Amino acid sequence: GAVVSQHPSRVICKSGTSVKIECRSLDFQATTMFWYRQFPKQSLMLMATSNEGSKATYEQGVEKDKFLINHASLTLSTLTVTSAHPEDSSFYICSARDLRDTEAFFGQGTRLTVV
Amino acid sequence: RKEVEQDPGPFNVPEGATVAFNCTYSNSASQSFFWYRQDCRKEPKLLMSVYSSGNEDGRFTAQLNRASQYISLLIRDSKLSDSATYLCVVNIWDTGRRALTFGSGTRLQVQP
Repeated sequence: GAVVSQHPSRVICKSGTSVKIECRSLDFQATTMFWYRQFPKQSLMLMATSNEGSKATYEQGVEKDKFLINHASLTLSTLTVTSAHPEDSSFYICSARDLRDTEAFFGQGTRLTVV
Repeated sequence: RKEVEQDPGPFNVPEGATVAFNCTYSNSASQSFFWYRQDCRKEPKLLMSVYSSGNEDGRFTAQLNRASQYISLLIRDSKLSDSATYLCVVNIWDTGRRALTFGSGTRLQVQP
């Protein structure tokens, strides 16, 4: 099946710094990728839809200036958490749908800890 | 009301037991349905799609009832390796939104 690679898998950063997370589709072109966040013992919550070559679509309540999304190519989307704070500590997962939209493939996730 | 609702569990069952999970969805525009499995601190992985006619994959059977807007997953002959969180997932094509909507998950713990 299709593979989505996410990097880094784990990051610890100081409060106030920015962190960039990369999501790559390795064997297919993804015009759309999705970014989710998951807090402990909760489900995945969609943050934004990343569209190649255009602006991301953010879900209600997600600050677009804080969570910067760039989808510059058909195989790469990045999420930058700017001026991170401890409450941003979470598990961030990217996802891409295959061309038939029959299955969503997920990156391995990034566990962000802000200290 | 959440768009996709599941009983969070946990369901603690002995090996070999049969266990069933239910899930309800609120948006009648929902078009496709899935069960995903998520192990602790890992990404979700597709377990099976759910079709209107019902479908079976080995020990797993999924059912969809559009009239009542619920989805079920039945696991027979539970194995220790089945211990995980099972996510009910719905694809809602409302206004062309292609993102999947996840339930909060049902935790299953199979005990020896």
